[in-house]
Amino acid sequence: EDQVTQSPEALRLQEGESSSLNCSYTVSGLRGLFWYRQDPGKGPEFLFTLYSAGEEKEKERLKATLTKKESFLHITAPKPEDSATYLCAVQAPFFGNEKLTFGTGTRLTIIP
Amino acid sequence: ETGVTQSPTHLIKTRGQQVTLRCSSQSGHNTVSWYQQALGQGPQFIFQYYREEENGRGNFPPRFSGLQFPNYSSELNVNALELDDSALYLCASSLETNQPQHFGDGTRLSIL
Repeated sequence: EDQVTQSPEALRLQEGESSSLNCSYTVSGLRGLFWYRQDPGKGPEFLFTLYSAGEEKEKERLKATLTKKESFLHITAPKPEDSATYLCAVQAPFFGNEKLTFGTGTRLTIIP
Repeated sequence: ETGVTQSPTHLIKTRGQQVTLRCSSQSGHNTVSWYQQALGQGPQFIFQYYREEENGRGNFPPRFSGLQFPNYSSELNVNALELDDSALYLCASSLETNQPQHFGDGTRLSIL
């Protein structure tokens, strides 16, 4: 069964203090790994898709990387508006469709 | 930008009742997936529809059912509501099954 584990559960950083979030996964036949951002009371907002080990994607202060067993979301010089829960999900073939299996997320708080 | 809208935003029901949740996908998005998100957890896959046919199902009982319509709208129906059904129900659509899924803001369902 597909499994996704995210760490840490919660992270508090000072504004400008860079760090990384971890997503470890086990899946048969990875089709893609997805990062989402979720604000309180909102649905997940798509950030990145990574398809193969060694791939990297960047968007503003965020950079996502992928290995065969884990993915990292690096946050450089974060701002208070980066505060949110960051969700990682894997997609694998499932009876002809590709469901998403999510981790429980990392709740990130950036302190001004 | 996601173009996925869900209604209602909040709903309160009692045990044993039935409920219908609605989702309007972005035009052209052939795939719609439904997820259940309990407080503090990641979304859990309920089922997926592709071009109006069910295309996969997660570990949810048959009292969870759905429909997808030609106008890119869809429904999630839950019968015989239980207290554990209290959660945020999310709808996500994508162009095809292997494309990134874009989420609505969900329906918060509370069972009393």
